[in-house]
Amino acid sequence: GQQVMQIPQYQHVQEGEDFTTYCNSSTTLSNIQWYKQRPGGHPVFLIQLVKSGEVKKQKRLTFQFGEAKKNSSLHITATQTTDVGTYFCALNSGGSNYKLTFGKGTLLTVNP
Amino acid sequence: NAGVTQTPKFQVLKTGQSMTLQCAQDMNHEYMSWYRQDPGMGLRLIHYSVGAGITDQGEVPNGYNVSRSTTEDFPLRLLSAAPSQTSVYFCASSYSSNTEAFFGQGTRLTVV
Repeated sequence: GQQVMQIPQYQHVQEGEDFTTYCNSSTTLSNIQWYKQRPGGHPVFLIQLVKSGEVKKQKRLTFQFGEAKKNSSLHITATQTTDVGTYFCALNSGGSNYKLTFGKGTLLTVNP
Repeated sequence: NAGVTQTPKFQVLKTGQSMTLQCAQDMNHEYMSWYRQDPGMGLRLIHYSVGAGITDQGEVPNGYNVSRSTTEDFPLRLLSAAPSQTSVYFCASSYSSNTEAFFGQGTRLTVV
């Protein structure tokens, strides 16, 4: 089945620094989703990217889908302590055989 | 509208005991899934269902059974608990194969 590599596994930043996490696949993806999980919490949906080269923004978060639809990134500008958590990308197999497969996630910690 | 409800929140089992983790959603979602989350391993898919009466195996199905007799409920059964099943379990649901997944609060299971 489809698999995705997510890097880095951990990232520690000073508050105000930028942060980026990447997801890479060896196969072309139909779409990709991003989730955030706060410490002790459950994953919460952030966004879904579908189109080649798509870029979407949510305040300080910028999501990109690669031109070949094999990679994606999440960039946070000027991190805040509220950004702490684990960020996951997830592959949606779509169709009648729906299956959502998650990357291993990037744990972001922010030093105030 | 409660969303996705998991019970119990915490459980301690002895090796060899059986139990059922409950998951219910009130959003009339067709798609439901069970994941386990272990440190450094991300979210791994155990079983999933694309509708009542239809279930399929995910990435790590061994030791777990599921059934989907109604749209609302998707219980996960551990027939004979093992220490390797110590984990946090999340249930998720989504409206369609191409929309966001909603997660329950999780069940933290310890097998001693």
